[in-house]
Amino acid sequence: GENVEQHPSTLSVQEGDSAVIKCTYSDSASNYFPWYKQELGKRPQLIIDIRSNVGEKKDQRIAVTLNKTAKHFSLHITETQPEDSAVYFCAPQGAGGTSYGKLTFGQGTILTVHP
Amino acid sequence: DTGVSQNPRHKITKRGQNVTFRCDPISEHNRLYWYRQTLGQGPEFLTYFQNEAQLEKSRLLSDRFSAERPKGSFSTLEIQRTEQGDSAMYLCASSPQIPTGPSSYNEQFFGPGTRLTVL
Repeated sequence: GENVEQHPSTLSVQEGDSAVIKCTYSDSASNYFPWYKQELGKRPQLIIDIRSNVGEKKDQRIAVTLNKTAKHFSLHITETQPEDSAVYFCAPQGAGGTSYGKLTFGQGTILTVHP
Repeated sequence: DTGVSQNPRHKITKRGQNVTFRCDPISEHNRLYWYRQTLGQGPEFLTYFQNEAQLEKSRLLSDRFSAERPKGSFSTLEIQRTEQGDSAMYLCASSPQIPTGPSSYNEQFFGPGTRLTVL
């Protein structure tokens, strides 16, 4: 099965700084790479995703970059705000066979943005 | 609210009792997933359905767990003879029809979850 690791496990930044979270995965057949944000006591919510035929995608202050050769993808948040404080999960999805459709979540990164 | 809904939101039960949770997906979504999340961890896949067919079950899903989606709409997850280790948040997610081809993807929308506490 897919092995997923996220780094760092905790990240503390000052408001306005940038934050980067990296996710490595093992299944070379993975073809969909989402990032979810989960606030305390709430459901995971998709914030950005990228497909395997694209190297980078940006949505306002959030971007995701993908390196399929090295099997990792990263979440970039610029101009961080206190409301960005949450747990962030990567969840690569495999393709084909019985892994198709299943998301394998990383262990999460706790991001704290200090005002 | 047109999102994924789950009931109940909280369930407290005694060890050994049976519990059942319900998930109502977004109406046009044909795929439905169950995940389990314990404190400080990411969600772990349990099982998924395409319409009424259960296509995959995780090894985490012991024989005390059963899931159904009889008409391809809502789904239920039942845990028999609950144990304290079953205490967790049970999340349901749904996704729309997946296009075929190499660029297929599967954006999943999560419900609010059912928090189970086994005493």
